[in-house]
Amino acid sequence: GAVVSQHPSRVICKSGTSVKIECRSLDFQATTMFWYRQFPKQSLMLMATSNEGSKATYEQGVEKDKFLINHASLTLSTLTVTSAHPEDSSFYICSARRGGLNSNQPQHFGDGTRLSIL
Amino acid sequence: GQQVMQIPQYQHVQEGEDFTTYCNSSTTLSNIQWYKQRPGGHPVFLIQLVKSGEVKKQKRLTFQFGEAKKNSSLHITATQTTDVGTYFCAGRGAQKLVFGQGTRLTINP
Repeated sequence: GAVVSQHPSRVICKSGTSVKIECRSLDFQATTMFWYRQFPKQSLMLMATSNEGSKATYEQGVEKDKFLINHASLTLSTLTVTSAHPEDSSFYICSARRGGLNSNQPQHFGDGTRLSIL
Repeated sequence: GQQVMQIPQYQHVQEGEDFTTYCNSSTTLSNIQWYKQRPGGHPVFLIQLVKSGEVKKQKRLTFQFGEAKKNSSLHITATQTTDVGTYFCAGRGAQKLVFGQGTRLTINP
């Protein structure tokens, strides 16, 4: 169990376009979901943490108006990159976890979305 | 803030050799988790250590959590080509899970 589906896997679009990425937990209820950005051959940089039904908590330096996060249900969180520019090109990866903020449950990752802005 | 340092950044071994990656936190951790990311793939949870001095084994993989709960290691005995990938530790402090930079393991068959 603990499968996380992320869609789309790859996006190529023009500068100025807004891009929506979905993250779904398929076989468990994900109280908490995380959005990461990963640069080539580097670690996972946490962008924000979202709990179902409440506003996301953004990490320092991450623009909340640029990266809109919605966690409307226990199985779905979305990340919208608004008015994307070439510097937003990256690998975005979500993870989902049972339990709330203080949970020690492991995180289960989606396959990631490779975003390329031309 | 909490920092998790992982070394080495890269490791290249001959198949059959052992491999170890080390993880150090700037603060005491409540637990530490280890993940493996294959090339082109996503991180996959391997294990979680919670107790001071804890040692856990998964076949050829041995995970240790330091007595002070500030460091951890992953040791692979007799590596195989299927072990290729990046191994991340992730330390949990007060609330947040912080990932180390990862150790990228490549293997010469």
